[in-house]
Amino acid sequence: SQKIEQNSEALNIQEGKTATLTCNYTNYSPAYLQWYRQDPGRGPVFLLLIRENEKEKRKERLKVTFDTTLKQSLFHITASQPADSATYLCALDLDNNNDMRFGAGTRLTVKP
Amino acid sequence: EAQVTQNPRYLITVTGKKLTVTCSQNMNHEYMSWYRQDPGLGLRQIYYSMNVEVTDKGDVPEGYKVSRKEKRNFPLILESPSPNQTSLYFCASSQILGQPGYTFGSGTRLTVV
Repeated sequence: SQKIEQNSEALNIQEGKTATLTCNYTNYSPAYLQWYRQDPGRGPVFLLLIRENEKEKRKERLKVTFDTTLKQSLFHITASQPADSATYLCALDLDNNNDMRFGAGTRLTVKP
Repeated sequence: EAQVTQNPRYLITVTGKKLTVTCSQNMNHEYMSWYRQDPGLGLRQIYYSMNVEVTDKGDVPEGYKVSRKEKRNFPLILESPSPNQTSLYFCASSQILGQPGYTFGSGTRLTVV
């Protein structure tokens, strides 16, 4: 069956360190993958999209990689801050038509 | 401001009493979708719509109905709500192609007693 797994439910790191979150998938061949941030009780907010032919994408302190051989995406936040604390979701395009499926998310806590 | 607007934000209802959660977007997006979010299960798609009068089931459509009579509106209807439909619901929209990500509404927290 098709599955999207995010490495852990929760990740705690110290301010200033780099946070690395993992998204693994099976039985998909997505044309692209997205990352979202979600704060408690709020809707997810789109952060980045990376396409299957892109190895890496950056936006300010965020970096995303996409390895279609390993079926894995890594999401990095460098120089993390307490304000980065949130749940981060990965999403995959099922049929190249914007029909996205989401992972359960990783809750990141950055401690001062 | 570009946004997806859901109403109501909170709703407590009784089993079997029909309800509608409204969703409206002002970005002229073709694609709209409904998700429910439950602890440990993440976001699960209920229904989606590629354009006006075009709707299709997602992963968990049982007990829900939708309609897309106008491009901007995509209401979610629970004809006979049950306690297992207690959840946090999100509406989202995007362009079919080219728009990099979904825009989500603020959510509707539904409790069915």
